Amino acid sequence: ETGVTQSPTHLIKTRGQQVTLRCSSQSGHNTVSWYQQALGQGPQFIFQYYREEENGRGNFPPRFSGLQFPNYSSELNVNALELDDSALYLCASSFGGGRIETQYFGPGTRLLVL
Amino acid sequence: SQKIEQNSEALNIQEGKTATLTCNYTNYSPAYLQWYRQDPGRGPVFLLLIRENEKEKRKERLKVTFDTTLKQSLFHITASQPADSATYLCALAVMEYGNKLVFGAGTILRVKS
Repeated sequence: ETGVTQSPTHLIKTRGQQVTLRCSSQSGHNTVSWYQQALGQGPQFIFQYYREEENGRGNFPPRFSGLQFPNYSSELNVNALELDDSALYLCASSFGGGRIETQYFGPGTRLLVL
Repeated sequence: SQKIEQNSEALNIQEGKTATLTCNYTNYSPAYLQWYRQDPGRGPVFLLLIRENEKEKRKERLKVTFDTTLKQSLFHITASQPADSATYLCALAVMEYGNKLVFGAGTILRVKS
């Protein structure tokens, strides 16, 4: 059974650029949630995808967008990057959409915006 | 406003002792609460889940309690070991947001030999 994987592991961008982060969910899971974790803080929910549809969104602006593919892998896109977007971006996979209980996290992508 | 609070200062304990971490919340009605462990530069790892109608849950050296009246969960690690040193995160499952997890900022635990 393959765990949750994310790519890339690290990324450096400049303000105003766009970035795409990728996540492969654990085998058998159909739900992916994305979180942003600033240094010294807990993860903050960005949005969740269940069977290729957005299934809940946190308090993040529209320049944060996502996709889920038929194989349940997912992308997080951030446009017009700002310095405050520097953080660890985590994806978590699970099974069940609105009946999620345990979420399995990937190792994260560390994004630095200069 | 809605808040989740964990011990803001690091918890330093001696090997073999019991570590107790606290999670308090306000203005949430969680269906369940989870505890995760996070090592530096890694993603959180699920440890335990406790539902709103459960008072206590155990798994090996770990124990979680959940008091919905006090709006508090306690997380205990008995016979602690240096390998238990990590950040421990409390997370509430918030039904009105499609079961999204709302995390506390975490408590750093350091176990000294």
